This record gives sequence, C-alpha cells and structure tokens, in this order.
Amino acid sequence: KQEVTQIPAALSVPEGENLVLNCSFTDSAIYNLQWFRQDPGKGLTSLLLIQSSQREQTSGRLNASLDKSSGRSTLYIAASQPGDSATYLCAVRFNDMRFGAGTRLTVKP
Amino acid sequence: GAVVSQHPSRVICKSGTSVKIECRSLDFQATTMFWYRQFPKQSLMLMATSNEGSKATYEQGVEKDKFLINHASLTLSTLTVTSAHPEDSSFYICSAREGSSAGNTIYFGEGSWLTVV
Repeated sequence: KQEVTQIPAALSVPEGENLVLNCSFTDSAIYNLQWFRQDPGKGLTSLLLIQSSQREQTSGRLNASLDKSSGRSTLYIAASQPGDSATYLCAVRFNDMRFGAGTRLTVKP
Repeated sequence: GAVVSQHPSRVICKSGTSVKIECRSLDFQATTMFWYRQFPKQSLMLMATSNEGSKATYEQGVEKDKFLINHASLTLSTLTVTSAHPEDSSFYICSAREGSSAGNTIYFGEGSWLTVV
C-alpha cells in the first residue's frame, strides 16, 4: 500500500525566504506526483503536476522535483510571500491518488 | 478544462438523519470516481473508489453500510452518510477520472462541509 509522508508538518518563515517542502512515497510505481495548495476551509488548488518520466516542473516561484527511484519529491518556493501561507499537499497517483498529511506553511510579513 | 461539481458545498443535518452529497463530472464521462474525507488539520483520506454500474470498493476501516456510494451514471456519483453522528462531521471531497483508462487525468470537486448537530 502506498504511503506518502511530508516533512516538515509545519513551517514558519519570514517573508522573502526561500524554502523547501519534502515529500516521500514508498511505492515508485506511479503515474505522476502532484502538489496542491489548500487554504483553510477550502478545497484543493493544483500547483504542479510532474509525470513519472519527468524530473521537475516549474511555475513562477514554484519548482517541484521528482526522483521516482528514491521515492522523493521536493517543492521549492522562492521569495516567499504572506499570501503563500497555506497547507501544501503532496499526492502520488497510480490507480487512485494518495495524499500526504501536508505541510502547514506560515509566511510572516 | 474539465469540471467536477460537488453539491452541496455546505450542509448541516441533525444527528440520526441521512445526508446525500453529489459529485458530477460536467463535461466529461467518468467511469471511476473517488471519495475522500478530511478531518480538521488532517490530510485527505481515500474512503472508497466508485465504479459506474458496479459496487464501490471501500478502503479498510470505512463502513460501507454507513457511507453508501452509488455511481449510477457516467457523470454522477453520490455519497450518502446514513444515520449521521457528530463524529461524521468532516470535509468530504470527490474526484473523477476522465474516461476509462487508469492513467487518465483526475479532477477534483470543490468539496462539501458536513456538520452534524
């Protein structure tokens, strides 16, 4: 059974810092890995989707990497802003999607 | 892009009653839909996989008699929480996989907040 782990569980940084969120998974047989953002009381916003054949994807200040063989992915956020404060979820996809517990990010002004 | 509509977005019901949540794929057919539950400050946990025209597959620990899933058409799956109790209060979110191939894209609904009083 696929297990997804996210580290750290919570992170608080001052505005402007670069930061890295980590995701690991136990079964490398995946179609893709996806990073989501979830604001309090809201649904999911897809940030980046990395196919199993890809190594990384970039969107604006976000960069996600994937090392399928080692079962790891990172989400890099550059020049963090208070508006980035949210919970970030990593999900791996095979027949269904399995989510990590998330990293609660707080960016202080 | 493809849209998954979930309704209602918020519902309050009395303890002991049943409540139905709908998940619709608006512009594509979905042979398979998924239902997740999220308790406060926890992650999304897969409850069941819903397949059109057949019985849902429930994850371990999910009571199939309490969480009834019906996937009667290629665009609609419903989750009915029967005899709801306050501990069933949670955020429920569905997703739908486009077409019938296992690798096709999955789209998420907006989620439904259930409060049982």
